[in-house]
Amino acid sequence: EVQLVESGGGLVQPGGSLRLSCAASGFMFSRYAMTWVRQAPGKGLEWVSIFGSNYVTYYADSVKGRFTVSKDISKNTLYLQMNSLRADDTAVYYCAKVGAPGGYNWFDRWGQGTLVTVSS
Amino acid sequence: EIVMTQSPATLSVSPGEGATLSCRASQSPSSHVAWYQQKAGQAPRLLIYGASTRATDIPARFSGSGSGTEFTLTISGLQSEDFAVYYCQQYNSWPLTFGGGTKVEIK
Repeated sequence: EVQLVESGGGLVQPGGSLRLSCAASGFMFSRYAMTWVRQAPGKGLEWVSIFGSNYVTYYADSVKGRFTVSKDISKNTLYLQMNSLRADDTAVYYCAKVGAPGGYNWFDRWGQGTLVTVSS
Repeated sequence: EIVMTQSPATLSVSPGEGATLSCRASQSPSSHVAWYQQKAGQAPRLLIYGASTRATDIPARFSGSGSGTEFTLTISGLQSEDFAVYYCQQYNSWPLTFGGGTKVEIK
């Protein structure tokens, strides 16, 4: 069974940093792209970043230059390093697995999310 | 950037009735459109990908259709567990984008 478990969220001051983790199990982690999607309180879904099976990464403009996605195959874990955090980064952050191996496509499994609050 | 616009924002439906949710893309994402269901306090769940392919374990009352820039999610015979927010998403080009969502509520 596919499982994705996020951790690392919390309260951080504006300008601060945080690293989110997503522990994956139940599938061949190296073969699938993995993504981060966030949801501000009461708002819709916003795609943040993706790490491809070919190690290519993409970012939303809103986080480019501040966030870095990485993947540790040996630990079956996806990370999101978030620097220079702003109030509008406050959201629940979900990691998700893409549905088909080797490409960038739909997201077929999601974690339960971790809340990041940026506030002084 | 492909902007995905969903309508209506809220749909009031009686249990047992059908619902039609629309998603319009600012430019064609080919058939690279997915639909997700999200219930309060839960993570999204994949319903449809490739514009019309049901995901694993999704009931047949959910169907997706469309092409070009117009896509539709149809729910026939709404059940109590179907009242939720639904999002469309395109995965054809960067950045990946979601629609703003349609809330299906009990009438």
